[in-house]
Amino acid sequence: ELKVEQNPLFLSMQEGKNYTIYCNYSTTSDRLYWYRQDPGKSLESLFVLLSNGAVKQEGRLMASLDTKARLSTLHITAAVHDLSATYFCAVDWPGSGGSNYKLTFGKGTLLTVNP
Amino acid sequence: ETGVTQTPRHLVMGMTNKKSLKCEQHLGHNAMYWYKQSAKKPLELMFVYNFKEQTENNSVPSRFSPECPNSSHLFLHLHTLQPEDSALYLCASSQGRGGRNIQYFGAGTRLSVL
Repeated sequence: ELKVEQNPLFLSMQEGKNYTIYCNYSTTSDRLYWYRQDPGKSLESLFVLLSNGAVKQEGRLMASLDTKARLSTLHITAAVHDLSATYFCAVDWPGSGGSNYKLTFGKGTLLTVNP
Repeated sequence: ETGVTQTPRHLVMGMTNKKSLKCEQHLGHNAMYWYKQSAKKPLELMFVYNFKEQTENNSVPSRFSPECPNSSHLFLHLHTLQPEDSALYLCASSQGRGGRNIQYFGAGTRLSVL
């Protein structure tokens, strides 16, 4: 069974600081997704990483994927309050029978950016 | 607006009630999913449908009964639930097999079982 572990689970940081969220997974996959969830809201797709070495950037967020290490990182640069949310990574892998891919999610990282 | 609409947004039911959750997607996707999000657990996949066929049942108790009449609609029928079933139930859709599987989520139904 695929396991996806995120750390830290809780992150409190000051505006203007940098930090990284880590996502480790236990089986071979070359498709990884990052989602954001605001309180009481749905999950919003942030990044799709489809190959080893993939790097995607959007604003103050940058995601990368190392399939050999089974590790993805979400780096936050010069954090602002609007980035406060829960961030999930999810790994795509074949479900039962191998013909239907499904996502397995990490527990999420609750990010709070303080003024 | 993600293109995936869930109703109702909130639901309170007793353990003997029968209710249904509805999900509709306007994205032309072929795959639809039900997830359960509890306070202290990762997002749990419950069911997957591809082209109206159920392709995944993640050992979900039979008191949860999904129905997918077409590729745009997905229901979750609930009966004789337990208090531990209280959670946020999320619906999602994606292109399905062969696609990049970016899943688009609805806003969820917050379910409380008394």
